Amino acid sequence: NAGVTQTPKFQVLKTGQSMTLQCAQDMNHEYMSWYRQDPGMGLRLIHYSVGAGITDQGEVPNGYNVSRSTTEDFPLRLLSAAPSQTSVYFCASSLRGPLTGELFFGEGSRLTVL
Amino acid sequence: ELKVEQNPLFLSMQEGKNYTIYCNYSTTSDRLYWYRQDPGKSLESLFVLLSNGAVKQEGRLMASLDTKARLSTLHITAAVHDLSATYFCAGKGETSGSRLTFGEGTQLTVNP
Repeated sequence: NAGVTQTPKFQVLKTGQSMTLQCAQDMNHEYMSWYRQDPGMGLRLIHYSVGAGITDQGEVPNGYNVSRSTTEDFPLRLLSAAPSQTSVYFCASSLRGPLTGELFFGEGSRLTVL
Repeated sequence: ELKVEQNPLFLSMQEGKNYTIYCNYSTTSDRLYWYRQDPGKSLESLFVLLSNGAVKQEGRLMASLDTKARLSTLHITAAVHDLSATYFCAGKGETSGSRLTFGEGTQLTVNP
């Protein structure tokens, strides 16, 4: 079972470059989200989606865009990379509904912006 | 807005000892999650606590939830080196859909 797949696993960018982190899940989960993890700060929500065609901002959305054209895919775009975006990015998905919410995480994408 | 705080943030234990990690949250949360993260790895779900008084156990780990005190605990019994990892708690506010708010994480090191 693939679960949640993220690519690339590692990426180095120069300031001002743009790139897309890919996320795909094969569990038919309606909810998908992107978190960033920085030392001492836990995980912070960037953007999330409750279904195809629906996206919303999380806690730290500035500098990032998302789209959700299919249930399976939820790419995260960095528009103009900055050193402050150096982080580890996790994509996570879950079922919706009152008894769900448990997140399934991808392996993470480590991004360095020089 | 839900805020989640863990303590301690760093914990160094000897094998065989017991200890508890605390997770406090600021507003009503209708469920509480515990995750484990090994260095350089993803997060793995440990426990989902759905109601006041819920207690779940897996091996040497036991999690509990007290919604009135807005407190969850993760108790470690007779620690072993394999439990060395970072442990996160996360809450889901009643009106936050499937969004989770994470604590800062507790980095646990179990020494022989």
